[in-house]
Amino acid sequence: DAGVIQSPRHEVTEMGQEVTLRCKPISGHDYLFWYRQTMMRGLELLIYFNNNVPIDDSGMPEDRFSAKMPNASFSTLKIQPSEPRDSAVYFCASSLSTKGLYEQYFGPGTRLTVT
Amino acid sequence: SQKIEQNSEALNIQEGKTATLTCNYTNYSPAYLQWYRQDPGRGPVFLLLIRENEKEKRKERLKVTFDTTLKQSLFHITASQPADSATYLCALGGGTDKLIFGTGTRLQVFP
Repeated sequence: DAGVIQSPRHEVTEMGQEVTLRCKPISGHDYLFWYRQTMMRGLELLIYFNNNVPIDDSGMPEDRFSAKMPNASFSTLKIQPSEPRDSAVYFCASSLSTKGLYEQYFGPGTRLTVT
Repeated sequence: SQKIEQNSEALNIQEGKTATLTCNYTNYSPAYLQWYRQDPGRGPVFLLLIRENEKEKRKERLKVTFDTTLKQSLFHITASQPADSATYLCALGGGTDKLIFGTGTRLQVFP
């Protein structure tokens, strides 16, 4: 299995531009999580989906952030408009929650820089 | 609010010694606790899961303890090697499907 795939790996954009991050979870996994990691705040959960349905988006910083999961093999995280404080590494993770096993498999992350 | 504390200072130890990392939490009663390893430029990788009714779990050179009275988990790496150098994250879960991560402790093992 190729693991969780994220694209792009690096994104540099100017303030005010729209940014779209993409994620392909591991085939068969029923949970998908979006995280943001910074030195100051560590790894923060933004939103997660179960069977393509958003379950908890309480971590989404504000209305500029939105996430979708149109099918079991694809999800996007969009920031519009982007701001310098959005600069961080964004991770996507997936998991298969059977028998009480909740280990998450992370992608390589997208490093976002907003200038 | 829920809070997880890991030592923010890097832990430097000599090869062959046992590394011990600490994870403390407050305002939370997790059903399980996980430990992840993160290398620079990469996503976290799952290492171990321990449930609230388990005191200790081992996997090769790794050992995790979970004390729900002290609200603490200890993560041990025995016979440490330079290849063990990384940041180690603890994460708490239970009640919902999501994890709450600590900020991690960086371990540096010197030859």
